[in-house]
Amino acid sequence: NAGVTQTPKFQVLKTGQSMTLQCAQDMNHEYMSWYRQDPGMGLRLIHYSVGAGITDQGEVPNGYNVSRSTTEDFPLRLLSAAPSQTSVYFCASSYGDTDTQYFGPGTRLTVL
Amino acid sequence: RKEVEQDPGPFNVPEGATVAFNCTYSNSASQSFFWYRQDCRKEPKLLMSVYSSGNEDGRFTAQLNRASQYISLLIRDSKLSDSATYLCVVTLISGTYKYIFGTGTRLKVLA
Repeated sequence: NAGVTQTPKFQVLKTGQSMTLQCAQDMNHEYMSWYRQDPGMGLRLIHYSVGAGITDQGEVPNGYNVSRSTTEDFPLRLLSAAPSQTSVYFCASSYGDTDTQYFGPGTRLTVL
Repeated sequence: RKEVEQDPGPFNVPEGATVAFNCTYSNSASQSFFWYRQDCRKEPKLLMSVYSSGNEDGRFTAQLNRASQYISLLIRDSKLSDSATYLCVVTLISGTYKYIFGTGTRLKVLA
């Protein structure tokens, strides 16, 4: 099993550009989530999904969209990138909503 | 008050030392507890879940004290490879989908 995979590993955007961060898991987990990690702040939840077709907002959803058309994939879209979105983004999945989360390797995003 | 609090460290310890980290949480309805390890510029990886009865995995021992609302991690016989940041993670009850991450405790094991 590959576990949780994310692409790209690194990305540089200009302010105002849009892009999609990809996340996929092969563990048949219903629960998937996107976090951002900034220095000194811990991981903060952006959006999450409890199954295909069901998504909800987390702690810091503004500027991001998600969709979940399949169990395996959970892409994160940046609508109009801003320097404040410079961060490391992690996708995670779990079997249940209080179970161990498994993380992807992360995407390092810089917005100029 | 933060929902999950950890001492950021760094804890600098010599090889072979025993080191302990504590993590306090504020919500008494918290359900699941974990310690994750995060290496520099890498993703968090599960180190161990924490159970009320306490649990051990090799050199690592985790304990949960629900009355005082803290969890602990003890590392015995520290290795250079234990150098990392250790994240405390707490979930609320099922149905809320809330994983609360501490900001991490940084450990440096020195030769």
